[in-house]
Amino acid sequence: KQEVTQIPAALSVPEGENLVLNCSFTDSAIYNLQWFRQDPGKGLTSLLLIQSSQREQTSGRLNASLDKSSGRSTLYIAASQPGDSATYLCAVSGSAGGTSYGKLTFGQGTILTVHP
Amino acid sequence: NAGVMQNPRHLVRRRGQEARLRCSPMKGHSHVYWYRQLPEEGLKFMVYLQKENIIDESGMPKERFSAEFPKEGPSILRIQQVVRGDSAAYFCASSSTFNEQFFGPGTRLTVL
Repeated sequence: KQEVTQIPAALSVPEGENLVLNCSFTDSAIYNLQWFRQDPGKGLTSLLLIQSSQREQTSGRLNASLDKSSGRSTLYIAASQPGDSATYLCAVSGSAGGTSYGKLTFGQGTILTVHP
Repeated sequence: NAGVMQNPRHLVRRRGQEARLRCSPMKGHSHVYWYRQLPEEGLKFMVYLQKENIIDESGMPKERFSAEFPKEGPSILRIQQVVRGDSAAYFCASSSTFNEQFFGPGTRLTVL
């Protein structure tokens, strides 16, 4: 059974800092990995998708890396801003022997607060 | 392009009533997924459907819950005889293939 863990559970930083969010998963036979942000009481916004054959993806100030063999991914946020405050979720799809590559398994999330 | 649409956004039911949650995927998407977020818990997969087919329902409770994605119209998640423990946010996502999933705003179900 796939399990996803995110560290830290919460993070508070001053504006302008660069920061790293960590995600680990127990079964390396994934199809892809997705990072999302969720604002309070809202839905999920997809930030980055990394296919299992890829090492990293970049979008603006965000960079996500994937080390499938060690079961780890990191999300790097450069020059953080108060508008980045949200819960960040990591999710992996697929599992060894499974046929449902679409099923996402989520971590518990990292609550990020960026203060001015 | 409209994103994934869910309605209603908020739904209040009394114990024993039925709840119907609707999801319209993004244009061109034929894969629909339902997830549930219980208070103070993470998002959990419930069911994965393609048009007229249930592909994976491994996360669905065995009783009272059902889902469909007909040839025409939105996907429906149906909860019969709701109990207080069903109170949660229910999210629908869609994708074009086994790829990036896009989520709707969710339906927040409250059972009194």
